[in-house]
Order: sequence, then structure tokens, then C-alpha cells
Amino acid sequence: DQQVKQNSPSLSVQEGRISILNCDYTNSMFDYFLWYKKYPAEGPTFLISISSIKDKNEDGRFTVFLNKSAKHLSLHIVPSQPGDSAVYFCAASDTGRRALTFGSGTRLQVQP
Amino acid sequence: GAGVSQSPRYKVAKRGQDVALRCDPISGHVSLFWYQQALGQGPEFLTYFQNEAQLDKSGLPSDRFFAERPEGSVSTLKIQRTQQEDSAVYLCASILQGSGTYEQYFGPGTRLTVT
Repeated sequence: DQQVKQNSPSLSVQEGRISILNCDYTNSMFDYFLWYKKYPAEGPTFLISISSIKDKNEDGRFTVFLNKSAKHLSLHIVPSQPGDSAVYFCAASDTGRRALTFGSGTRLQVQP
Repeated sequence: GAGVSQSPRYKVAKRGQDVALRCDPISGHVSLFWYQQALGQGPEFLTYFQNEAQLDKSGLPSDRFFAERPEGSVSTLKIQRTQQEDSAVYLCASILQGSGTYEQYFGPGTRLTVT
């Protein structure tokens, strides 16, 4: 039973364009959502997060959107850069349980 | 300060051997987590400590898996009688209690291969 789903295993975009990574969840108890970036042979690195009381959070080139009614969130990267090429994981948590539940990841490749 | 460190980075074990994986969290981080990441999948929660107390071990897949954090800092994940399905990357993460955020800081992981 996958509670957090990333249905696109891979995504390729041109440098300078927008990258949109999607994530769906099923557990209505989740109230905090995070995006992590992972390079090979390294641990996941925190990128950006959003609380369920918000619908948008922005940090530089990265914006996360949350649609609670659809149980959907997305990460927008504008403009995309070759250094953004990595695997991106969506994760969710609920206040009562600190553990993160991860999706299976989307591999982003930004073409120069 | 330094980030989360894990050792060894790579471990090859013969089926049936016991292994011990170490995690040094960020100094001052009260909460510590262990995750297992199989190839092509996202990390899956194993267990959680607050200081030396193991508050959640619901993700441990079998009684062959055991974790401890006796002094509330360094943690060890032990796997007894390793099986091939234990082959994965084991990730440790820590978080500053009371920070009001949920962002966990991950170590580089230990890649365990059971032959």
C-alpha cells in the first residue's frame, strides 16, 4: 500500500525551461510535505517543504504547490539548470509520527 | 558543524553473518531515524529514537533487526543472520528536537550487499 506515489520515474527538460515534478498521497493524516534531492552515492538532501495549512511555498528557483482536496503536490523548478539533474523524492509526515513516508522518486535530467 | 556520518560506507556480508552499521548524528540533534532504501525505491522507515529512547520500531522488518542508541548520540543498527533480501542502502537521519520543522538531515548511507 503506497501512501506516497510518484508516477513518473523520469523526466527530461531543457536547460532554462520549467521542470514540474508531481506527487500524490492517499493518507489524509499527512500534514507536512517535503522534497528531497539525491545524487548517486549520497544521502537525500532537503530541498523545500510545505505545511498543510499553506498551498504554496517558494524558495528561490523552487516552488512547491499543495492541493489538499486532490491530495496532490508538485515541485516547480524555474529555470532548470544542468546541476539540478538528480533523483527527487517526495516525502510526507504527520504530526503524531515523525517518520517520513517517501515516494519512489523521479529522475530529472536537465539537458544543456 | 559536521553533518550526519555513517560507517562503513560499503559492507559485503555472506548470508548468515551478523552486521553492525553505525550512525553519528549531527551534534545536538535529539531525534534519530533509520531508513532502508532498496534499489529503485524511496527510503522506508525502520525505527526512531528520541535521545536514547526507541519510540517507534514499527518499520523493522523482522526480529533479526535491532537498533540501539545507548547514550543518546551514536546509534547502531544490527542485522543478525543476514539474508539476501537485506541488501539495500541503510540511511540514518537526524533532526533537532523543538526546531518546529520536520526536515530530517540524512547521512550518506551504508550500502549492504549480502552474497
